[in-house]
This record gives sequence, C-alpha cells and structure tokens, in this order.
Amino acid sequence: NAGVTQTPKFQVLKTGQSMTLQCAQDMNHNSMYWYRQDPGMGLRLIYYSASEGTTDKGEVPNGYNVSRLNKREFSLRLESAAPSQTSVYFCASTLSGSSYEQYFGPGTRLTVT
Amino acid sequence: GENVEQHPSTLSVQEGDSAVIKCTYSDSASNYFPWYKQELGKRPQLIIDIRSNVGEKKDQRIAVTLNKTAKHFSLHITETQPEDSAVYFCAASRGTGGSYIPTFGRGTSLIVHP
Repeated sequence: NAGVTQTPKFQVLKTGQSMTLQCAQDMNHNSMYWYRQDPGMGLRLIYYSASEGTTDKGEVPNGYNVSRLNKREFSLRLESAAPSQTSVYFCASTLSGSSYEQYFGPGTRLTVT
Repeated sequence: GENVEQHPSTLSVQEGDSAVIKCTYSDSASNYFPWYKQELGKRPQLIIDIRSNVGEKKDQRIAVTLNKTAKHFSLHITETQPEDSAVYFCAASRGTGGSYIPTFGRGTSLIVHP
C-alpha cells in the first residue's frame, strides 16, 4: 500500500497563477482532508470530505476550492494564488466509523512570489 | 467550534528526563484526543490516542491522561531519547461515526539533549 500520496512535492507560483494539488489514498478510507501548516500555527483545516460526494469548509477555506473526484482522490485548487498562501499543504485521510486515526501524505511545499 | 490550547510551545530536556505536554479544549462534547509526532521535514504520524471513556492510556514510554471535568489532557514521555526530538501536536474532536473534524493545537517543539 502506498498510503496517502500527494503531488507535487514542491511548487513555486507567481501571484495570480492557479494550480491544483492532487491527493490520493489506497486504504479505502471514507474521509479526506486538506490542511495547511504555517510556522507556529499548527495544522489548520482548509476543506474536508466526510464521504464520497460531499465536501465542507474548514477553518480557513478562503481562496481555495476542492473536488472529491472519487473515493480515492481529493484535489485542492488555488484559483488565483496570493503570497499569504505560501505554506506546506498536507492531505490526510481517515477510515471514520470505527477508527479516527488520520494518515497524512508527505506534503506539498508551496511558495507564492 | 472547538478551541485547543497547547503548552509549552518549546520544551528542552536532557536525555533520560521526562517530558510533559498539556492541552486544554473547549467543547465538552469532544470525545477523541489523539497525539501526533512530526519529525523535521516529515509528515505527522499518530503516536497515541485516547477516547473520553478512558482516563489514561500507556504505550511503552508514552502515556496520555485525560481529565474530562477540567477539559484537559496531557502527553507524558518518560526516559526521553534524542530520537524523541520532534514537534508534537494534540487534537480534540467529536467522533460521530460519519463525520470526524479534529482541531489541532499549535504544537510543541521537544528538544532532547544527549
């Protein structure tokens, strides 16, 4: 099992450019999440998908959109990148129901200049 | 919504000492409290968790205690080793079967000096 995978690992964008971060899991998990991690701020939830076909806003959704493409894949889109979106982005998944352990992907380091 | 406070933000200990990290939460309905360890440049990984129907849980050198009345929980690491150096995050949430939304603390950077 690959677990949770993310692409790309690193990305540099100019202000105003758009991009999509990809996430996939092969553990048949129901719930998937996108977080951003900034120094001293912990992990802040951007969007989550409790199950296939549903998405909901988290704590810091402004400037982002998501798509739960199928049970395996959950993508995060930045339509018009801003320097404030410079961060490390983690995707995570959880089985839910009987287990709430979150499995994280390796992260994407995004810099917006 | 839930609010989680974590202290201290940095903890420096000598190898072999014990380390304690504390978290408080605001939502009395929260019932699941995990702790994650994140080594430098790596992804967070679960090290121990506790549910609200249990007061303490141990796994070798790591233990977690929960005080539901006071709404706080703590991570205890005994006989610390240099490889315990990392950032530790607590989280609190309601696990309701269909929807699980954790709120994380801001993290504690633990440094274990050889």
